[in-house]
Amino acid sequence: EVQLVESGGGLVQPGRSLKFSCAASGFTFSDYAMAWVRQAPKKGLEWVATIIYDGSSTYYRDSVKGRFTISRDNAKSTLYLQMDSLRSEDTATYYCARQSYVDWYFDFWGPGTMVTVSS
Amino acid sequence: DIQMTQSPPSLSASLGDKVTITCQASQNINKYIAWYQQKPGKAPGLLIHYTSTLVSGIPSRFSGSGSGRDYSFSISNVESEDIASYYCLQYDNSPWTFGGGTKLELK
Repeated sequence: EVQLVESGGGLVQPGRSLKFSCAASGFTFSDYAMAWVRQAPKKGLEWVATIIYDGSSTYYRDSVKGRFTISRDNAKSTLYLQMDSLRSEDTATYYCARQSYVDWYFDFWGPGTMVTVSS
Repeated sequence: DIQMTQSPPSLSASLGDKVTITCQASQNINKYIAWYQQKPGKAPGLLIHYTSTLVSGIPSRFSGSGSGRDYSFSISNVESEDIASYYCLQYDNSPWTFGGGTKLELK
C-alpha cells in the first residue's frame, strides 16, 4: 500500500525558514517523480514544486522560485521541501504527492502538514 | 500558464440526482485532465485521469468526458458519501494547474 507521511510543519515568522519532509513507503520511491501541492485555508489546490525520479531536474511555480528548494533522498525514500524567506501568503497545508509513472498527474497524496507564517 | 475555469463553484443536489461539473482550459490540453475528490480535513483523492479513465475501486457512477479545451465530470445517483469538494487538474503542461473547485452539498 502506497503511504506518504509529511512531518515538520508549524508556526514560523515571516522571513524565516522551515524544512519539512515526506516519508514514502509501499512503492519504489526512486522510480517516481514527486511533488508538493499546497492549499491555503478555505482555498483551492496549488502545485508548488516537482522533482524527477533521480533528483536531476526540479520545477517550481513562479511565486516560490528562488525561495523554496525541493529535494529527495532515494536511499531514505524521503522527499523534502526547504522554504526560505517565508511570507504570509505561504500559509497553507502542504501535501506531498506522488506523480504517476507515465503522465505525471498526482496519483497518491499524503495527509498534509500545516504551515502558518505569522508574527 | 494554462488556466482552468471550473464551474459551478458550488452545487446543491438531492440523493439520487445526477450532477455535472465542467472545466474549461485556456488552451487545448489534449485530454490530460484528472479529477479529484476532497472531503473536509482530508487530502484529495484521485478519481479519474486522462479525461475518462476511472481509477481502480472508484464507483462507476463517476464519469468524465471531453476534449480540446472543454471537459466535464459527472456523478450519477449522488450518494451521501459523495458530499465533498471536487477539483480538476490539467497535466498537459507545467505548471500543473487546478480548477477552483466545486463544493457539492446536499439539498
